[in-house]
Amino acid sequence: QQQVKQSPQSLIVQKGGISIINCAYENTAFDYFPWYQQFPGKGPALLIAIRPDVSEKKEGRFTISFNKSAKQFSLHIMDSQPGDSATYFCAASIARWSNYQLIWGAGTKLIIKP
Amino acid sequence: NAGVTQTPKFQVLKTGQSMTLQCAQDMNHNSMYWYRQDPGMGLRLIYYSASEGTTDKGEVPNGYNVSRLNKREFSLRLESAAPSQTSVYFCASIFRAGGYEQYFGPGTRLTVT
Repeated sequence: QQQVKQSPQSLIVQKGGISIINCAYENTAFDYFPWYQQFPGKGPALLIAIRPDVSEKKEGRFTISFNKSAKQFSLHIMDSQPGDSATYFCAASIARWSNYQLIWGAGTKLIIKP
Repeated sequence: NAGVTQTPKFQVLKTGQSMTLQCAQDMNHNSMYWYRQDPGMGLRLIYYSASEGTTDKGEVPNGYNVSRLNKREFSLRLESAAPSQTSVYFCASIFRAGGYEQYFGPGTRLTVT
């Protein structure tokens, strides 16, 4: 019940296209859903995050869509660029956890073809 | 402001050898974490330290020990390295009052032969 399932494992998108990565969870107590971006040889870095009181959050070309009833959330990258090529991780957490622990998806390797 | 630093960047060990991975943060963060990253498995939590003086096991603690030396430093020790511990190790920290964002170091790539 603590798992976060992420798909697809890898994704190739043409430059200018829309990249979509999906995550699903079981634990309805989760109340914080971040996406992290990781470039080769670097540590992950927070990209965008959402709480379940909103259905969508947009920051520039990056949008999180959240479906509470389906227990799913997704990352949309509009007008994908070669510089977006990276591995993306979704995660989930519970506010009352005193350790601020994140439950991580397995990651999606995104390649944007020029 | 260097953020989260890790040493070494690369390490090769023989089975049975021991080593300590070092992590330090200069952001005055309260909580620190050690993860391992393996292909197709995402990030798995090894140990964490919610605050100075406390440490707790994560998802995959076997074969590891940690020390929270002070607020800045959190080290990970492999007492007797095994090939199954070949991985990339990341340290992260969080300022609890500031929210949930975890700040990651650049990682240590460890190979055990």
